[in-house]
Amino acid sequence: KAGVTQTPRYLIKTRGQQVTLSCSPISGHRSVSWYQQTPGQGLQFLFEYFSETQRNKGNFPGRFSGRQFSNSRSEMNVSTLELGDSALYLCASSLNGRSTDTQYFGPGTRLTVL
Amino acid sequence: DAKTTQPNSMESNEEEPVHLPCNHSTISGTDYIHWYRQLPSQGPEYVIHGLTSNVNNRMASLAIAEDRKSSTLILHRATLRDAAVYYCILRDGMERSQGNLIFGKGTKLSVKP
Repeated sequence: KAGVTQTPRYLIKTRGQQVTLSCSPISGHRSVSWYQQTPGQGLQFLFEYFSETQRNKGNFPGRFSGRQFSNSRSEMNVSTLELGDSALYLCASSLNGRSTDTQYFGPGTRLTVL
Repeated sequence: DAKTTQPNSMESNEEEPVHLPCNHSTISGTDYIHWYRQLPSQGPEYVIHGLTSNVNNRMASLAIAEDRKSSTLILHRATLRDAAVYYCILRDGMERSQGNLIFGKGTKLSVKP
């Protein structure tokens, strides 16, 4: 089975722009979660989608949003980019998003905001 | 979710066993103990998990204290490829709970040749 894929792998944007990141989960997985990783804050949970619905959300401003499609692929969007949004954005998929399910992570998208 | 405490860093020699400790004194009866690791420039990967009994898999062993307030991840023979940040995470096993992981700072393991 192919693993979790994320595109693009690297992205450079300027302040005020918006960005869309994409995640393709492992085939058959219905839950997709997004995480932000920065040197200062470590790995932080953004949100989780299951069956096209946002089921769980972390403590991030409304500029961060996402969606999930019927094939379980997911996108996250960050509007009005700030310098502090520079981070590695990781996507993880699991079978049903239960706490007993293993999460499988993609390689991440490295976003740099100038 | 209950919190975990891990040392910031540890060092090991190649081919030797490594014991990575984790304290979780406020663990609840339904919390599973999960370990993930993050190799340099990669996303985290699952290592092992357990509830009460010790667990073994091809990557590692997990030793859980009898009172469940601490656990130890054991790498039997460290290789250079095991150099990573190791995260100990508690996950509530109740069915209603959802699956996001709450990461702490983890332990950065260095392996010397």
